[in-house]
Amino acid sequence: DAKTTQPNSMESNEEEPVHLPCNHSTISGTDYIHWYRQLPSQGPEYVIHGLTSNVNNRMASLAIAEDRKSSTLILHRATLRDAAVYYCIRSSNYQLIWGAGTKLIIKP
Amino acid sequence: DSGVTQTPKHLITATGQRVTLRCSPRSGDLSVYWYQQSLDQGLQFLIQYYNGEERAKGNILERFSAQQFPDLHSELNLSSLELGDSALYFCASSVDSGTSGRRNNEQFFGPGTRLTVL
Repeated sequence: DAKTTQPNSMESNEEEPVHLPCNHSTISGTDYIHWYRQLPSQGPEYVIHGLTSNVNNRMASLAIAEDRKSSTLILHRATLRDAAVYYCIRSSNYQLIWGAGTKLIIKP
Repeated sequence: DSGVTQTPKHLITATGQRVTLRCSPRSGDLSVYWYQQSLDQGLQFLIQYYNGEERAKGNILERFSAQQFPDLHSELNLSSLELGDSALYFCASSVDSGTSGRRNNEQFFGPGTRLTVL
């Protein structure tokens, strides 16, 4: 089971958009891409998921490459409360396969 | 608040001992998942129960076991504890088993139990 690949950490300024990349080059045709985030001292929480098409919800947008080998989570206007570890997760047989995540640092 | 509760919040014990972690899923959720998170690492899936039956197994050691009771709460039993078992243990719940047609099957996580083995 190949895990996804993400940068260890990223920094962004408050109120600016953030693009968090993820590589999943070995993903199969039926595997979904999920994003969860974990705020300090809390359990993870769902952010967004998708299969082939770009997806939007109240929290973020998910842009999936046409070949599905990579995706990008977009936070349109980051706030200090968005500082967290963001996990790009591949689902296989409906189970979530977690990588190490990207620690997002928001600078005021 | 995700609606998932875990007890205890903290647990300190010695090597060789046995502990039980408890999880109550969100009301209406039939699936319970257990994860282990070691320091500054991602989550490792341990095991999943659905409506009282084991549904999927991940990287769970033979020293660890779990069960889900008729009221749908779940317990994770860790025995012959070693120093390396020190970690955060998360429980999550979801509505269905993950094998229906619902591809998202969003998981709701509890606050975790921090286990320290001395």
